[in-house]
Amino acid sequence: EAGVAQSPRYKIIEKRQSVAFWCNPISGHATLYWYQQILGQGPKLLIQFQNNGVVDDSQLPKDRFSAERLKGVDSTLKIQPAKLEDSAVYLCASSLVGGIEYNEQFFGPGTRLTVL
Amino acid sequence: TQLLEQSPQFLSIQEGENLTVYCNSSSVFSSLQWYRQEPGEGPVLLVTVVTGGEVKKLKRLTFQFGDARKDSSLHITAAQPGDTGLYLCAGDTGFQKLVFGTGTRLLVSP
Repeated sequence: EAGVAQSPRYKIIEKRQSVAFWCNPISGHATLYWYQQILGQGPKLLIQFQNNGVVDDSQLPKDRFSAERLKGVDSTLKIQPAKLEDSAVYLCASSLVGGIEYNEQFFGPGTRLTVL
Repeated sequence: TQLLEQSPQFLSIQEGENLTVYCNSSSVFSSLQWYRQEPGEGPVLLVTVVTGGEVKKLKRLTFQFGDARKDSSLHITAAQPGDTGLYLCAGDTGFQKLVFGTGTRLLVSP
């Protein structure tokens, strides 16, 4: 079974530039998450989708971050314009939905963003 | 806001030593998960504990969920260099949403 795919793996940009990350979840997983992980810390949820609808985006900085999930499968996360403090690893995860009692999330390898 | 504090933040030990990592919160969780993350990779689920007081063993790793379902511990017996990584606890808040702990970075030297 293929895992969660993310691209690019690394990205270096200058502040005020724009950047986009792509995620392809595990086939059949209806729930998709984007996390931000600052070096050495635990992941922080940015946005949660169920199919193509947003379930929780309370911690997404909406003035600069946006995300969409096309047709309930792939997802993109965009930052425009980037700030120095956005330097982090952006993780995508997916999980099954519907009657699942214990929420196991499967993570992709992440995209490491450096903002100069 | 539900927070999960892990301690210690960093642990450097020699191969063969034992260690315990703690995960504490003032909030009650329906379940609690432990993940391990290696450099350049995403976290990988190790175990899920659900019932207060539950103990689960995974080879040399022992996980315990507190009676009140607010805290958890991970004990590693006879640590090996392959155990090196970032250990994360995560509490299930419901609605398929996890809150991750602050992380414990473990380094096991040969």
